[in-house]
Amino acid sequence: QSALTQPRSVSGSPGQSVTVSCTGASSDVGDYNYVSWYQQHPGKVPKLIIYDVIKRPSGVPDRFSGSKSGNTASLTISGLQADDEGDYYCCTTAGTYSYIFGPGTRVTVL
Amino acid sequence: QVHLVESGGGVVQPGRSLRVSCAASGFSFDSYGMHWVRQAPGKGLEWVAFIWFDGSNKYYGDSVKGRFTISRDNSKNTVYLDMNSLSVEDTATYYCARDWVSSAFDPWGQGTLVTVSS
Repeated sequence: QSALTQPRSVSGSPGQSVTVSCTGASSDVGDYNYVSWYQQHPGKVPKLIIYDVIKRPSGVPDRFSGSKSGNTASLTISGLQADDEGDYYCCTTAGTYSYIFGPGTRVTVL
Repeated sequence: QVHLVESGGGVVQPGRSLRVSCAASGFSFDSYGMHWVRQAPGKGLEWVAFIWFDGSNKYYGDSVKGRFTISRDNSKNTVYLDMNSLSVEDTATYYCARDWVSSAFDPWGQGTLVTVSS
């Protein structure tokens, strides 16, 4: 099972949009629509914000959206707010009850 | 309200064992698979183990396979992680999480810190 790659950090000004990428392989991200994204504020518990590549759990603002193209999944945060600062992790499975997380991306609001 | 509460963390010497627990409430525990995920200090998330809703199947990450054992007691709404042959590399906050739709983890407990140190 391959590792996932994410940018170490992305930043944007309030109101702008930022995109976090998550690149895997044809055997995981490319083959399954089981990509999820987690937001973790410093010192806090991870929170699910996207599942099945594009779906949002109840209560997650529609400013958060997911997509996928080939072996790369992406999380876009629109209308960036101060509270969006934190670490974002992608996660996928290769269909064998084995899960891999990306290394995480620090989102900074300038 | 769905709630997960971990316990059992602490300081343990290398080579020793420790059990951490996760008590669930607010949902039909015996209908869901459960995961353990860990996070070393200042590092990212690492999936550790998964157990089916009925305990009949268990899966492990490569770094803990053969040393850690996940189990559950549906009569107590609790999932466990038995950790043997601990090393300093196992130092982390251990989170339990419910296996939600399509292999997403939701929600997460508050975590319990395990420190392996001599």
